[in-house]
Amino acid sequence: QKEVEQNSGPLSVPEGAIASLNCTYSDRGSQSFFWYRQYSGKSPELIMFIYSNGDKEDGRFTAQLNKASQYVSLLIRDSQPSDSATYLCAVNGGDGGFKTIFGAGTRLFVKA
Amino acid sequence: SAVISQKPSRDICQRGTSLTIQCQVDSQVTMMFWYRQQPGQSLTLIATANQGSEATYESGFVIDKFPISRPNLTFSTLTVSNMSPEDSSIYLCSVVDQNTEAFFGQGTRLTVV
Repeated sequence: QKEVEQNSGPLSVPEGAIASLNCTYSDRGSQSFFWYRQYSGKSPELIMFIYSNGDKEDGRFTAQLNKASQYVSLLIRDSQPSDSATYLCAVNGGDGGFKTIFGAGTRLFVKA
Repeated sequence: SAVISQKPSRDICQRGTSLTIQCQVDSQVTMMFWYRQQPGQSLTLIATANQGSEATYESGFVIDKFPISRPNLTFSTLTVSNMSPEDSSIYLCSVVDQNTEAFFGQGTRLTVV
């Protein structure tokens, strides 16, 4: 059973702070890693993807990947109340092929 | 990215009946999937919709309960059969592009009473 593990939270941070979201995965052959944001009652939307070890920055978001540790993280700088949502970690590739497997999600609250 | 239209967006159904959900993509895609998201839970993969052949189901899901059609590379349907209240959930169609990024339809919110 391939798994993606996340702390369910909720994670609460003050406005302007850095929010750090973490994820581990079990399939060592996984090749693609994603972070989705899901607002209540809405479908998930892709915010970041990363394929290689290291950091990838996009605006206020930084994804970090460490394949040796099977660990993915998402940092949100200068957090805003509009960032309050559930963040889903997802992996693709490996034994699962093109199937995308999702973690349970971490609920983030950004307090104004 | 692909634009995915899913309908109905929501429905309330009587137990024992069936509901067919449609997913239309604005471009040809090889990989199409159906997910379920139960209240307060993450996304669980139901099956891979294969064009021109039977869908590939994940553990815990069977064709008799969730028959899937994929007549071409832009369209698929998922039927939830003989519904019970436990089937109340959001059902999501997803496609994966050449970069392995998954995109979703707006979802179908199903309530079984």
